[in-house]
Amino acid sequence: KQEVTQIPAALSVPEGENLVLNCSFTDSAIYNLQWFRQDPGKGLTSLLLIQSSQREQTSGRLNASLDKSSGRSTLYIAASQPGDSATYLCAPYTGGGNKLTFGTGTQLKVEL
Amino acid sequence: EAQVTQNPRYLITVTGKKLTVTCSQNMNHEYMSWYRQDPGLGLRQIYYSMNVEVTDKGDVPEGYKVSRKEKRNFPLILESPSPNQTSLYFCASSFRTDGELFFGEGSRLTVL
Repeated sequence: KQEVTQIPAALSVPEGENLVLNCSFTDSAIYNLQWFRQDPGKGLTSLLLIQSSQREQTSGRLNASLDKSSGRSTLYIAASQPGDSATYLCAPYTGGGNKLTFGTGTQLKVEL
Repeated sequence: EAQVTQNPRYLITVTGKKLTVTCSQNMNHEYMSWYRQDPGLGLRQIYYSMNVEVTDKGDVPEGYKVSRKEKRNFPLILESPSPNQTSLYFCASSFRTDGELFFGEGSRLTVL
């Protein structure tokens, strides 16, 4: 059974800092991995989907990397802003209709 | 606007009173899924559907039913709700099972 760990569970940084969120997973036989953002009381929004054949995927100030063999992914946020405050979840996909496993997330607070 | 719509967004009910949470997507997605989110447990899949008339159990299906009579709709039915079904529920959809997942805004259910 896939297990997903996200470290740290919570993070508080001053505005403007570059930061890295970590995601590790136990089953490396994944097809892809998604990073999501969840604002309080809201649904999840997909930020990046990185295929197993890719090493990196970028969208604006966000960069996700994937090291499939070691079971790790990182989400890099450049020049953080208060609007980036949210919970970030990663979810590796191992195939089939029920093989998307979510981590419990990293709660990020970016302070002025 | 492409979206996944859930109703109701908030509901307080009593044990044993049947209820249905509706989910509708306007993106012509094949795949739809229901999750529940609980503190400390993260997101767990309840049921999913690969296409019309095709549904299957996720990780926590007990106490829930679903149907997929039309491509756009995937209602979640609680025949006899119990307090342990108090949770935040999310519907999600995607073009394929390995595709970008789109979430609804969530339905917060309290069972007294």
